[in-house]
Amino acid sequence: AQSVTQPDIHITVSEGASLELRCNYSYGATPYLFWYVQSPGQGLQLLLKYFSGDTLVQGIKGFEAEFKRSQSSFNLRKPSVHWSDAAEYFCAVGAGSGGYNKLIFGAGTRLAVHP
Amino acid sequence: SQTIHQWPATLVQPVGSPLSLECTVEGTSNPNLYWYRQAAGRGLQLLFYSVGIGQISSEVPQNLSASRPQDRQFILSSKKLLLSDSGFYLCAWSAQGNNSPLHFGNGTRLTVT
Repeated sequence: AQSVTQPDIHITVSEGASLELRCNYSYGATPYLFWYVQSPGQGLQLLLKYFSGDTLVQGIKGFEAEFKRSQSSFNLRKPSVHWSDAAEYFCAVGAGSGGYNKLIFGAGTRLAVHP
Repeated sequence: SQTIHQWPATLVQPVGSPLSLECTVEGTSNPNLYWYRQAAGRGLQLLFYSVGIGQISSEVPQNLSASRPQDRQFILSSKKLLLSDSGFYLCAWSAQGNNSPLHFGNGTRLTVT
């Protein structure tokens, strides 16, 4: 069965430091992978997505993610974190068929940013 | 551009009362529509999805139901709420296709007392 694992429940970084959020997936076919961000009490905003091609994908707000098939990973990175990046981040794999996209989400990683 | 509206933003309901949450999408036609639930400290669980008017698929057995009376309207309902129905409910839409990204509403915080 398809699944997504985000090993880190909470991460704290200092403002200006680099960030890497880990994501591992389990999916039999070529995966469609997504990262979303959620601010408290809000919906989810799409940061970036990977379908095929270049394994390093760029997203909004200065985020990027790298797809590594050999490691079944899709880690999210940002070279310099801003205080406004504090939020919860969700990795998801698309497991749809028949014309719809069933997204399976990880449990999320909550990011805190120290000034 | 496409927008998704979800209401109410917060709701407190007693056990045994009915529920109706509404979601509408603007700026697109024939979207796929989804209801997710997010329990405290947990990820998102897909409850229902719909690929067209009147077409509803349920992912998990539960006390809730969904309906799609119009192309861009998706309603989540319950006849009698349970304490375990408390959570954060998110509506989302996507274009047709197996890999189209989902776009989420701002959610409804439901507390069943």
